[in-house]
Amino acid sequence: GAVVSQHPSRVICKSGTSVKIECRSLDFQATTMFWYRQFPKQSLMLMATSNEGSKATYEQGVEKDKFLINHASLTLSTLTVTSAHPEDSSFYICSASSPDRVNTEAFFGQGTRLTVV
Amino acid sequence: DAKTTQPPSMDCAEGRAANLPCNHSTISGNEYVYWYRQIHSQGPQYIIHGLKNNETNEMASLIITEDRKSSTLILPHATLRDTAVYYCIVRVGLAAGNKLTFGGGTRVLVKP
Repeated sequence: GAVVSQHPSRVICKSGTSVKIECRSLDFQATTMFWYRQFPKQSLMLMATSNEGSKATYEQGVEKDKFLINHASLTLSTLTVTSAHPEDSSFYICSASSPDRVNTEAFFGQGTRLTVV
Repeated sequence: DAKTTQPPSMDCAEGRAANLPCNHSTISGNEYVYWYRQIHSQGPQYIIHGLKNNETNEMASLIITEDRKSSTLILPHATLRDTAVYYCIVRVGLAAGNKLTFGGGTRVLVKP
């Protein structure tokens, strides 16, 4: 099946620094990717929709200047958490769908656990 | 997208069938029912989806009521590795750009 790869799987950073998370579709071209955040014992919350070649669409309450999304190619989207703080510690997950597949179910990356200390 | 209601948790015995219910009484005619699961500390995994007919694949079966207001995911022979949170999601169409909105899901614990 289609594969979406996320990197890194775990990252620890100091408060005030920025962290970049990569999401790649390995065997298909993804015009749209989605970024989710998940706090412990909670469900996934959609943060933003990443569109190749254009600006991301952010969900209500998500700060676009803090969570920078770049989707420069059809196989790569990046999420940068700028000036991270402990409250940004969470599990970040990306997903992508291939427009060429009949069953366009979304494929998810393995997630990135961010810990801000 | 229509909202879904699932029981927060359920236990099932290893080797037995697990039946996971989902209510989606406000589903629209062009909305599909999708099921995903999330094993601890991993990204969600697609299981199955359907519009109005029952569906079966190598992982599970999906039974959708005639009025489409509810559905049941059936894991025919649950194993310990099926312990996960199962999400029932209703989504418009099959277009790649349509987002998935996750509810609370059902936390399934398969016991030996």
